[in-house]
Amino acid sequence: DAGITQSPRYKITETGRQVTLMCHQTWSHSYMFWYRQDLGHGLRLIYYSAAADITDKGEVPDGYVVSRSKTENFPLTLESATRSQTSVYFCASSEAGRFGYTFGSGTRLTVV
Amino acid sequence: AQKITQTQPGMFVQEKEAVTLDCTYDTSDPSYGLFWYKQPSSGEMIFLIYQGSYDQQNATEGRYSLNFQKARKSANLVISASQLGDSAMYFCAMREGGYGNKLVFGAGTILRVKS
Repeated sequence: DAGITQSPRYKITETGRQVTLMCHQTWSHSYMFWYRQDLGHGLRLIYYSAAADITDKGEVPDGYVVSRSKTENFPLTLESATRSQTSVYFCASSEAGRFGYTFGSGTRLTVV
Repeated sequence: AQKITQTQPGMFVQEKEAVTLDCTYDTSDPSYGLFWYKQPSSGEMIFLIYQGSYDQQNATEGRYSLNFQKARKSANLVISASQLGDSAMYFCAMREGGYGNKLVFGAGTILRVKS
């Protein structure tokens, strides 16, 4: 089905482990985004990408790494997970010239 | 400075009544877009309504309308005839500059509709 797919839907990991959250979109949208949602903060931008091989930091990038070798994929890696990275993570995409943004279903990550 | 401010952490409204959710924004870019999203307890982000900075009229989408007051930098969401299914978290967001740019979100308002 067309859309944005995030995987996994839920993830529990241990402090210090590396974990990768996947995001795949089928529209070939140029822009992709990673947000984290925490109570009292709304959604905060971690990283975004304007095209393949172009990425930039958002508001809260520390502890995260992204890559975008293909237009349709935008994985987010926590290099060494910390409890403060327990959150719900949303991937989104958008296309230049169109006003809308489409969000994935989210990944609930718990770091223990 | 906060770019998007939602001052109401939580709101209650009686079923069938109208409710206004407040949102103020801060930008020096003349071109921007304002969005409202609904997040029910299931967690997905549902787009409700959009207002461009150059739009002359307030946006409307069914029971949703956006009260856009440019000089005051406010973009309040009005929900008419509230329904129980409107109970959710509501986020105001802003895009500065052109389409495709990043969205900045407010902290959100939890709305509870009472029967």
